[in-house]
Amino acid sequence: DSGVTQTPKHLITATGQRVTLRCSPRSGDLSVYWYQQSLDQGLQFLIQYYNGEERAKGNILERFSAQQFPDLHSELNLSSLELGDSALYFCASSGGTGAFFGQGTRLTVV
Amino acid sequence: AQSVSQHNHHVILSEAASLELGCNYSYGGTVNLFWYVQYPGQHLQLLLKYFSGDPLVKGIKGFEAEFIKSKFSFNLRKPSVQWSDTAEYFCAVTPNTGGFKTIFGAGTRLFVKA
Repeated sequence: DSGVTQTPKHLITATGQRVTLRCSPRSGDLSVYWYQQSLDQGLQFLIQYYNGEERAKGNILERFSAQQFPDLHSELNLSSLELGDSALYFCASSGGTGAFFGQGTRLTVV
Repeated sequence: AQSVSQHNHHVILSEAASLELGCNYSYGGTVNLFWYVQYPGQHLQLLLKYFSGDPLVKGIKGFEAEFIKSKFSFNLRKPSVQWSDTAEYFCAVTPNTGGFKTIFGAGTRLFVKA
């Protein structure tokens, strides 16, 4: 158990819809990262938050957004979903000694 | 732009064979280096990390990696693989710029034949 909790584990939704993925970091970790893992693109960094503020941005689409709340949990919002958004979305948290990953949310867009 | 390259996308080995997975990064400054493993159906786990000091680091499950600064490399090794090592392995680099952004390689899928 990495200490990072992601919900839901699985999500099936239709094209055009909007979903929210949630991540609770390890206790004490201030950094939260979001990654997308798909078969053709591998593991891609989306965005990082540190203590509530956006710290780094990767290959995140404009249809996607994220935030980190005062209690340090984070949400990734995916809107206007397309078939190509089907992937495993990982959250990771870090206290500076390496990232610890959650189990991931498997999103299937049909 | 900063990047991490993993040379092999797929590796197939027999049990007891030796393993070396290549990882090179492009960044001129100080970095922290990591190897992660993702077993089938599971989340990523930290195998080992290098921050400073002895460039040969030992991780869990008999894995080790060597940081060669002059070659910008951080190759993962294991003397004798087991069937249970079948997984995907990711090399990752965090430049010490204060931005905490971690860059991952594309991953190497290892299949160990029993």
